Amino acid sequence: AQSVAQPEDQVNVAEGNPLTVKCTYSVSGNPYLFWYVQYPNRGLQFLLKYITGDNLVKGSYGFEAEFNKSQTSFHLKKPSALVSDSALYFCAVSVFTGGGNKLTFGTGTQLKVEL
Amino acid sequence: GAVVSQHPSRVICKSGTSVKIECRSLDFQATTMFWYRQFPKKSLMLMATSNEGSKATYEQGVEKDKFLINHASLTLSTLTVTSAHPEDSSFYICSAKQGLRNTGELFFGEGSRLTVL
Repeated sequence: AQSVAQPEDQVNVAEGNPLTVKCTYSVSGNPYLFWYVQYPNRGLQFLLKYITGDNLVKGSYGFEAEFNKSQTSFHLKKPSALVSDSALYFCAVSVFTGGGNKLTFGTGTQLKVEL
Repeated sequence: GAVVSQHPSRVICKSGTSVKIECRSLDFQATTMFWYRQFPKKSLMLMATSNEGSKATYEQGVEKDKFLINHASLTLSTLTVTSAHPEDSSFYICSAKQGLRNTGELFFGEGSRLTVL
């Protein structure tokens, strides 16, 4: 079975400072890893994904994530946080099942960026 | 990116009534759609996988007679909450997979907040 852990329920950071939202995963096989962002009462928006290739993945809104196979991690990062980045962030993992992208989500991390 | 539309965004109903939520892929064909339920400050719980032209595959613990899913076309899947009760109140989100690749990201609808009185 696949699983995702987001160890922090909330991350607080000052605007302009770098941010990191942590994610670790457990799968049998090669993982496909994703980050999504959710604003209040909205659906999820895709940020970035890792399938194969370069371990550093760049995504929307200046976010990036680094795939670390040995640590089974896929932390989300941004060099300089904005107040508008405040939202709920989900890490997700899937493996090839032949039945489509059956994603397993982490519990989410609330990011709060303050002035 | 691809657009997935969900309707209604909010619905309030009386206990015992049925509610239908629609999920449409607006600019692509979705052979597979997924329905999730999200509780306050909680992760998304996959309820079922909806495949066009065939029966939905429900996750363990999800009542298929309670949550009826129909995927009649490549652009529309519906979730009907039958005989709704207050404990069914939740935020329901659909997502769709574009194409047949398993490495592609999912596109999510805006969600539907159901409140059962």
